[in-house]
Amino acid sequence: DAGITQSPRHKVTETGTPVTLRCHQTENHRYMYWYRQDPGHGLRLIHYSYGVKDTDKGEVSDGYSVSRSKTEDFLLTLESATSSQTSVYFCAISELGGDSYEQYFGPGTRLTVT
Amino acid sequence: AQSVAQPEDQVNVAEGNPLTVKCTYSVSGNPYLFWYVQYPNRGLQFLLKYITGDNLVKGSYGFEAEFNKSQTSFHLKKPSALVSDSALYFCAVRDFGYGGSQGNLIFGKGTKLSVKP
Repeated sequence: DAGITQSPRHKVTETGTPVTLRCHQTENHRYMYWYRQDPGHGLRLIHYSYGVKDTDKGEVSDGYSVSRSKTEDFLLTLESATSSQTSVYFCAISELGGDSYEQYFGPGTRLTVT
Repeated sequence: AQSVAQPEDQVNVAEGNPLTVKCTYSVSGNPYLFWYVQYPNRGLQFLLKYITGDNLVKGSYGFEAEFNKSQTSFHLKKPSALVSDSALYFCAVRDFGYGGSQGNLIFGKGTKLSVKP
């Protein structure tokens, strides 16, 4: 999985609790992304980062925040988890240049909110 | 706005037969197109891409894809399917944003490929 780790890999939490997911890369890529995967919806972009401290919202950002204080780490926080945020979360990285626009994905975090 | 569609939720083929997984796109300029594969409980793996050049693109695991501008399609193909090809396949298109969003991809909803012995 291209030098990308996600932690935790599985988490069960209760409604209303804060949750932070971590993505760590060893590729020194500039761009990082958080997606959620749900049946019937494919992958939807939550937030992305184009450098340290540079982040922006994606398609489904409500209820989520992110931070990137180092090139290698991109954190996704659910401020107050809801059942609708039960999903599989994927981190991805890319390094744009020439004809290189593909993203590389981590192994995913399965989050269950009860 | 850019978009990509995978018209089939599931494709069933017999082992040894050719397979096709369909993808159509809608973009305002020249498309940058990608195929990914996801095996159970794994992340997405990059298979191949079309940026420019030859309309037939070859990728990993014997897969290829044909870019057809007039039909706005980018179908994934393999001459002889294997049981191990059974997985979820995603088509994606570059979002053509600017600045920080220039690398964003838009994904289709995925097609489940089932190859039976």
